[in-house]
Amino acid sequence: DIVMTQSPDSLAVSLGERATINCKSSQSVLDSSNNKYYLAWYQQKPRQPPKLLIYWASTRESGVPDRFSGSGSGTDFTLTISSLQAEDVAVYYCQQYFNTLFTFGPGTKVDIK
Amino acid sequence: DVQLVESGGGLVQPGGSLRLSCAASGFTFSSYAMSWVRQAPGKGLEWVSGISGSGGSTYYTDSVKGRFTISRDNSKNTLYLQVNSLRAEDTAAYYCAKMLWSSWYRGPFDYWGQGTLVTVSS
Repeated sequence: DIVMTQSPDSLAVSLGERATINCKSSQSVLDSSNNKYYLAWYQQKPRQPPKLLIYWASTRESGVPDRFSGSGSGTDFTLTISSLQAEDVAVYYCQQYFNTLFTFGPGTKVDIK
Repeated sequence: DVQLVESGGGLVQPGGSLRLSCAASGFTFSSYAMSWVRQAPGKGLEWVSGISGSGGSTYYTDSVKGRFTISRDNSKNTLYLQVNSLRAEDTAAYYCAKMLWSSWYRGPFDYWGQGTLVTVSS
């Protein structure tokens, strides 16, 4: 199985400041046939199901604010919130869908400082 | 609008069984792979099982192989998860989730249900 790790476990950022979350896969999630990274990011607020933010490592899902961006290559990926808003307080998860046995990272909790 | 509504959770003793259901609407159900994802109280997300649109291919995480069975009835637009030989560590909210793209299995999940809670305790 592909193991996903995330760092940090939690972070507190001032409103309007940048938040950066890291995700690492234990093996490559790049499909060389289409040159795409099979990596997604989700946001989960308390008592809600997860919401898809980013797929193909950097493609924003429809309706997701452009302050959310994804990047990365190899086995290292990043979710950046460029200007943190109060409504962005949540837990963020990365997920690989390269392997038919999907796996999630352990999550990163984002709070307001 | 896409809707996924889970049901069938509850309190069950260790070793017991339940059948979870997910009623889908608002999209062509048979065209999309589906998965079950669980979340233990206060913990992270764990993918449990997935099934292709036709139902011909199924996948399981190692910890549930041989105990859980995923299936679907495309005539009823319903996804199922039969959970047997339940253990305390299976206690979680179980979400059904829809694949983003039709006719693919490997992909992210764009719609999730609200979850059904399974509690395994004596």
